[in-house]
Amino acid sequence: AAGVIQSPRHLIKEKRETATLKCYPIPRHDTVYWYQQGPGQDPQFLISFYEKMQSDKGSIPDRFSAQQFSDYHSELNMSSLELGDSALYFCASSLGRGSLAKNIQYFGAGTRLSVL
Amino acid sequence: DAKTTQPNSMESNEEEPVHLPCNHSTISGTDYIHWYRQLPSQGPEYVIHGLTSNVNNRMASLAIAEDRKSSTLILHRATLRDAAVYYCILRAPTINTNAGKSTFGDGTTLTVKP
Repeated sequence: AAGVIQSPRHLIKEKRETATLKCYPIPRHDTVYWYQQGPGQDPQFLISFYEKMQSDKGSIPDRFSAQQFSDYHSELNMSSLELGDSALYFCASSLGRGSLAKNIQYFGAGTRLSVL
Repeated sequence: DAKTTQPNSMESNEEEPVHLPCNHSTISGTDYIHWYRQLPSQGPEYVIHGLTSNVNNRMASLAIAEDRKSSTLILHRATLRDAAVYYCILRAPTINTNAGKSTFGDGTTLTVKP
């Protein structure tokens, strides 16, 4: 079965550079979530989209932005990168029909971002 | 967001049952209880979820207290591949958005000994 695809898997950037992470949800899934997991930490919710509209916002820095496109894939854009942005970034997708609270989130393998 | 409390770590012997507890005393009536697990360097993986009644699936069972202030994930026969961090998560529909974001707590690191 198709899973959530994230690209790239690894990314190395310098401070103050920009980065774009991509997420391709499971086919027919209309909801995408982004999470950040720092070293030794738990995943922290950043932002989510439902039917191409931003639906919820967590601890996402103002330097970051994201969007969901017409084909439901999503991109997380990160500017003015800082050392503290080094983390694993996970994307998850779900089928947002009915009560979204019970819908299962399927996670991708993540993008490991290293800021030097 | 309602918080969950889990033990930092637990140990189990292979082939034995494991009971992973979770306290969520501030749970609201519409919160679903989800369990995910995360193996090293992998994305979280769905295990099971429920609202009020106990649930079973091929991976595990979920026992929910009558007052819903606590729940227990039960792995019936632990294997070495079950070693992971287990997260108990409350998922609530957000007002006006229905996004159902997940708030991860500290999780329980399960070690399975052969």
